[in-house]
Amino acid sequence: AQSVTQLGSHVSVSEGALVLLRCNYSSSVPPYLFWYVQYPNQGLQLLLKYTTGATLVKGINGFEAEFKKSETSFHLTKPSAHMSDAAEYFCAVSESGGSNYKLTFGKGTLLTVNP
Amino acid sequence: AAGVIQSPRHLIKEKRETATLKCYPIPRHDTVYWYQQGPGQDPQFLISFYEKMQSDKGSIPDRFSAQQFSDYHSELNMSSLELGDSALYFCASSPGVPNTANSPLHFGNGTRLTVT
Repeated sequence: AQSVTQLGSHVSVSEGALVLLRCNYSSSVPPYLFWYVQYPNQGLQLLLKYTTGATLVKGINGFEAEFKKSETSFHLTKPSAHMSDAAEYFCAVSESGGSNYKLTFGKGTLLTVNP
Repeated sequence: AAGVIQSPRHLIKEKRETATLKCYPIPRHDTVYWYQQGPGQDPQFLISFYEKMQSDKGSIPDRFSAQQFSDYHSELNMSSLELGDSALYFCASSPGVPNTANSPLHFGNGTRLTVT
């Protein structure tokens, strides 16, 4: 079984400030990890993913995340927030090597960017 | 680039009615997943198909059924609708063999179902 915990259902930052969205996972097998972003009334858009290899992964819109196995974490960061980053962010986990690719999502973190 | 197409975008039904949601995956994607996202909730996996066969099943009520057709589009059929079925229903697709590292899910914009 796998699960995802996102710490903080709502994060508020100022424009230009560091964005840090926290994600911890639980998985009985090596995980695949993802961050998705959801704008109002839209679908989920993939920001970045970790499958194997380099633990620091870079995604779209200047976001990056680091897989830390010892901490079972996959926190999402962006050095400088932009107003257009305001959205809901979901961390998700999938089991590697399985026969299906279904995702288990965290509860989501709503990011607000203040001018 | 072509994306996952879902129809309709919005649907309003009354209790005990039926609803059919359609999903058209990205061309050459043969795996389809359905998710349900309640108001203010995270998406919950319902069911998936690979090559027209059900590949996995999640928290899908018995009142719901789904299938994938020969052209790889999928339909989610919902009967005896309840107020609690009001949600955003997402379809996602991916290419090739499920769980391949380089084939993440691509989501549609969802169908918003309101049951009154």
